[in-house]
Amino acid sequence: AQKVTQAQTEISVVEKEDVTLDCVYETRDTTYYLFWYKQPPSGELVFLIRRNSFDEQNEISGRYSWNFQKSTSSFNFTITASQVVDSAVYFCALSGVRAGGTSYGKLTFGQGTILTVHP
Amino acid sequence: AAGVIQSPRHLIKEKRETATLKCYPIPRHDTVYWYQQGPGQDPQFLISFYEKMQSDKGSIPDRFSAQQFSDYHSELNMSSLELGDSALYFCASSSGQEARNEKLFFGSGTQLSVL
Repeated sequence: AQKVTQAQTEISVVEKEDVTLDCVYETRDTTYYLFWYKQPPSGELVFLIRRNSFDEQNEISGRYSWNFQKSTSSFNFTITASQVVDSAVYFCALSGVRAGGTSYGKLTFGQGTILTVHP
Repeated sequence: AAGVIQSPRHLIKEKRETATLKCYPIPRHDTVYWYQQGPGQDPQFLISFYEKMQSDKGSIPDRFSAQQFSDYHSELNMSSLELGDSALYFCASSSGQEARNEKLFFGSGTQLSVL
């Protein structure tokens, strides 16, 4: 069975602060994918990142960075210099890997973290 | 770039009615997934199709059925609607051929309200 836990239900910060969203996962699979999605107030799910369990290299994309630590089963997401437009619900998710290397689309989501960035 | 298209955007139904949600995947994507997101909840996987065949099944009620057509679009049919079916229904698509660059793209969702 797979499980994703996002420790923070809600986070409130002031613009320009850095904020880290925690994600811890459980899986029996040796190979898996981890995802982060953003759900703004408009409701759509916006893909942010997919990480293969074999690749523990941290990734940075603009103000976003991700810290994957397999030893602690964590995949944390940091927003640097937060902005009001970052206000959204953020979901961490986990999927298995097919034989060909693609992910099963059957994602297991965490409960989500509501991030509010105040001006 | 083209994205996953879902229609309708909003749907209001009465209890015991039926509803059909449509999903048009990104061009050249051969796999579609359906998710249900209740108010304040995380998305829950319902069902998926690869090359028009059901590939995986999650917590989809027997009152729901889905299929993928020859043009790869998919429809989720919901019968005998209940109040608890009120939710945001997402469709996502991916390509089984692009593992290296694979991203699971979601549509904007269909908000179903059952009154």
